[in-house]
Amino acid sequence: DTEVTQTPKHLVMGMTNKKSLKCEQHMGHRAMYWYKQKAKKPPELMFVYSYEKLSINESVPSRFSPECPNSSLLNLHLHALQPEDSALYLCASSLQGVPSYEQYFGPGTRLTVT
Amino acid sequence: KQEVTQIPAALSVPEGENLVLNCSFTDSAIYNLQWFRQDPGKGLTSLLLIQSSQREQTSGRLNASLDKSSGRSTLYIAASQPGDSATYLCAVRRMEYGNKLVFGAGTILRVKS
Repeated sequence: DTEVTQTPKHLVMGMTNKKSLKCEQHMGHRAMYWYKQKAKKPPELMFVYSYEKLSINESVPSRFSPECPNSSLLNLHLHALQPEDSALYLCASSLQGVPSYEQYFGPGTRLTVT
Repeated sequence: KQEVTQIPAALSVPEGENLVLNCSFTDSAIYNLQWFRQDPGKGLTSLLLIQSSQREQTSGRLNASLDKSSGRSTLYIAASQPGDSATYLCAVRRMEYGNKLVFGAGTILRVKS
């Protein structure tokens, strides 16, 4: 099973709402990633977790708060977002936080901030 | 700073044609390069991963090559099919920043039946 799942598929939220994105994998991978992709642009890295610890934060605004409760699950908590945060949010995982390993991506959550 | 460029930005070919997509990167100090496919509004599907010590990788009708010293990779698609229509992205993993993939802007491929 080489699948990364993400829920929800679509999310519409107001600027005062609090919501969460969820990512799950059962491949035994120990590194998990959040990417943001704007329309017609390549994905941009936001966060990397390695062995459930945050290892990379690409200077992401604090209105995005990642959480890795266990090795299979990755959450992204959203609060007080701006309309420009509307994008496709992609989760990925790899066997370990070692560069030689392939990253597998989920289908993404399409977020619209109104 | 690592920059990744993909040429062409868009490509339209008739079904059955062989084609080449190009990817170039400015910093040759990379761990590996990964080619992805993305259908509209969907996630990324990994196609091929080439380690820095390798010259090429093959999967079915796809062949990817890597020339690290010149900062170039090509993705060769043989006997293209309408189902190959998608955006193709290449991404490099820098030695300085191992877990970070730096993506090119992609090539939008359309295969006409």
